[in-house]
Amino acid sequence: DTEVTQTPKHLVMGMTNKKSLKCEQHMGHRAMYWYKQKAKKPPELMFVYSYEKLSINESVPSRFSPECPNSSLLNLHLHALQPEDSALYLCASSPRTSGDPDTQYFGPGTRLTVL
Amino acid sequence: GDSVTQMEGPVTLSEEAFLTINCTYTATGYPSLFWYVQYPGEGLQLLLKATKADDKGSNKGFEATYRKETTSFHLEKGSVQVSDSAVYFCALSDPWAGGTSYGKLTFGQGTILTVHP
Repeated sequence: DTEVTQTPKHLVMGMTNKKSLKCEQHMGHRAMYWYKQKAKKPPELMFVYSYEKLSINESVPSRFSPECPNSSLLNLHLHALQPEDSALYLCASSPRTSGDPDTQYFGPGTRLTVL
Repeated sequence: GDSVTQMEGPVTLSEEAFLTINCTYTATGYPSLFWYVQYPGEGLQLLLKATKADDKGSNKGFEATYRKETTSFHLEKGSVQVSDSAVYFCALSDPWAGGTSYGKLTFGQGTILTVHP
């Protein structure tokens, strides 16, 4: 099973709202990722958690706040977003097995609209 | 830095036609190579991968061979179906990169494929 789940599927929020995106995997993977994808573009990496520690922050604005409560869960907290933050937000996970090339598996995404 | 170049799209084919989507890469190390597919309104799905020279990845009738001499990983399918209509992304990662580069995927720009009945 190579399933990554994301909730909600769709989210509409105002610029003053606070909301959270959730990602879950039960494959025993030790790395989890957040990506942002605009229409007709490849995904852009936002954050990487490796063994539950933040290892990469690609200079993402502080209105996006990631959290990794445990090895299976990844959250993205949203606050005071701008309309240009509207996009598909993808979560991914990978095994991070020593000695094996890593492979990322993606979830279905959350379609975010900021009004 | 590492980069991936995909053929310009969109690509429009009739059902049962032969498909080739070109992908070339530039990498300082010895990368792993991937093809991901994104159907309308969905996330990315891993289609196939190859981790060393001359490896052939295959899945659902799609194939790609890791060609180190030409730094290429072209995607092929002998007979496309309407259900293959999607965006295809070629990507690489350097499994030997250290520090913050480890595990990062470098994507091509994506190729939109439309298959007509």
